[in-house]
Amino acid sequence: DVVLTQTPSILSATIGQSVSISCRSSQSLLDSDGNTYLYWFLQRPGQSPQRLIYLVSNLGSGVPNRFSGSGSGTDFTLKISGVEAEDLGVYYCMQATHAPYTFGAGTKLELK
Amino acid sequence: EVQVLESGGGLVQPGNSLKLSCATSGFTFSTAWMYWYRQFPEKRLEWVARIKAKSNNYATDYTESVKGRFTISRDDSKSSIYLQMNNLKEEDTAIYYCAWRAYWGQGTLVTVSS
Repeated sequence: DVVLTQTPSILSATIGQSVSISCRSSQSLLDSDGNTYLYWFLQRPGQSPQRLIYLVSNLGSGVPNRFSGSGSGTDFTLKISGVEAEDLGVYYCMQATHAPYTFGAGTKLELK
Repeated sequence: EVQVLESGGGLVQPGNSLKLSCATSGFTFSTAWMYWYRQFPEKRLEWVARIKAKSNNYATDYTESVKGRFTISRDDSKSSIYLQMNNLKEEDTAIYYCAWRAYWGQGTLVTVSS
């Protein structure tokens, strides 16, 4: 199975600070169809996961543009340009290129 | 508005069965590939099963740990999917989520314990 390694596991930030989360894959996530099926989710306390980014860098509907995704192959990054209070929670990356789909262990974003 | 609503969770003894349901609305269900995921008590997320559309012969796929025990199915007339879970184990204890693309339900809790 593909292993996704997220770093850091805990991220402390102040409101307005820009932060980045890394997701590294044990295999390339470039599919034979030319797509890279790498997604980012945010799970706020007590809520179900919300998809923020799809196909590496595409912003989900209604997701603020302070979120951005980048990367290719095995290295991916989620950036938040100016953290807001509503961004606190746990961030997960997920790959759907190789079966079984797998998730990273999560990065908890908390207030410093 | 897209809606995804799971039901059917509960407390069950090891070795017993449970059937989860997921009712949807707000999108063209008949062409949708649908998914079950679960989140364990320690917050780890896991993909459980996928069912494709009629045009893909309703093909199904499962994570290894549930193969032979869980069955995903769908009823296009009801815009619903199901997860039949047999021979449940304590390690199946989790919140089970139904999903279509970006849309996840609120989850239903399954607890397997004697």
